[in-house]
Amino acid sequence: LAKTTQPISMDSYEGQEVNITCSHNNIATNDYITWYQQFPSQGPRFIIQGYKTKVTNEVASLFIPADRKSSTLSLPRVSLSDTAVYYCLVGDNRDDKIIFGKGTRLHILP
Amino acid sequence: NAGVTQTPKFRVLKTGQSMTLLCAQDMNHEYMYWYRQDPGMGLRLIHYSVGEGTTAKGEVPDGYNVSRLKKQNFLLGLESAAPSQTSVYFCASSPTGGRFNSPLHFGNGTRLTVT
Repeated sequence: LAKTTQPISMDSYEGQEVNITCSHNNIATNDYITWYQQFPSQGPRFIIQGYKTKVTNEVASLFIPADRKSSTLSLPRVSLSDTAVYYCLVGDNRDDKIIFGKGTRLHILP
Repeated sequence: NAGVTQTPKFRVLKTGQSMTLLCAQDMNHEYMYWYRQDPGMGLRLIHYSVGEGTTAKGEVPDGYNVSRLKKQNFLLGLESAAPSQTSVYFCASSPTGGRFNSPLHFGNGTRLTVT
């Protein structure tokens, strides 16, 4: 399984763009990168997934460099409601298990 | 569609008691997962299932048993609860599992306290 490393916590202010970087040096050729968001007292929810270059949806953008050894989740113009834990996962097409790390606790300040 | 439903939402057990947590999904997903979440630990995989009638061990399976008799249901059992099993338990499902990178759909969790 490809291990991921991401910051334990981050603080930002409302209206700012927030970038959370995840390292995955051992990513395999066919692995995708998936990000989840978890609000307090709720289960995680899928926000974005990508394989290479850039992916954008209504919630976030995901930037993946050519070597795919890292990825950056970008949240534009955050609000207080974006306070959550964000998890970066790297898929393993050799295994049915889906393993989470400890995630990044993002705290948005007014 | 309800998605993934977990029952009960809260439970308090005494050490040594048993209980079963129920997870039900109405999306016809093949794969189902049970996780536990402790403060500062992220989510840890307990057991998972790749289809009706199958189960497999995750990262922290000791002290738990599971069954997947029907495709839509995944049961997590604690035969003899211990205080170390105090946690929030999340169930999730996906169409095709980790092997094909399909996203997980989570329930809202069961908060279990063992005294």
